[in-house]
Amino acid sequence: DAKTTQPNSMESNEEEPVHLPCNHSTISGTDYIHWYRQLPSQGPEYVIHGLTSNVNNRMASLAIAEDRKSSTLILHRATLRDAAVYYCILRDDGGSQGNLIFGKGTKLSVKP
Amino acid sequence: NAGVTQTPKFQVLKTGQSMTLQCAQDMNHEYMSWYRQDPGMGLRLIHYSVGAGITDQGEVPNGYNVSRSTTEDFPLRLLSAAPSQTSVYFCASRIVSGSGTYEQYFGPGTRLTVT
Repeated sequence: DAKTTQPNSMESNEEEPVHLPCNHSTISGTDYIHWYRQLPSQGPEYVIHGLTSNVNNRMASLAIAEDRKSSTLILHRATLRDAAVYYCILRDDGGSQGNLIFGKGTKLSVKP
Repeated sequence: NAGVTQTPKFQVLKTGQSMTLQCAQDMNHEYMSWYRQDPGMGLRLIHYSVGAGITDQGEVPNGYNVSRSTTEDFPLRLLSAAPSQTSVYFCASRIVSGSGTYEQYFGPGTRLTVT
């Protein structure tokens, strides 16, 4: 599986937008970009995923570079509940056995 | 739906003891997997299964056994616990599809301490 690079930590103020970057320069054509987050003392939860086009859902937006070598998760208005570790993961979903392989992620702190 | 459930929530074992961590899902998902998470680290894949009767190894399979006799259940067995297996264990499940991609659902975790 192709690897991703994320900053270890980021800080944000409550109610401000947050842009979480992810580099994946060795991404292949069938790799989907997945984002999961892990709140303290909980299992990871799905945030969003995309292949080539930008994606929006109720939780966040995903902006994917035209060459797909990087992406950015956008939280439009950070809340205290958004403090978590965010994982950017590539998964080859061209087959049925694609596994999520986690890195260390970005720990997001949100200040009131 | 209860989603993905794990039992027990907490467990303390002595070195050399055996135990089974239970995982069940009620979403009829073909794919199930086990991860472990050590302090300050990301999750590491132990074993996974894409359907009943089919299992395969992940990144860190040594010291763990799995079986998948039903779609709903995917137990993880520690045959002889070691202190290095002290960790939080997460079970996950998702749909398997030939096209497209689906989100993965995680259980609440089992915190295991081996003394």
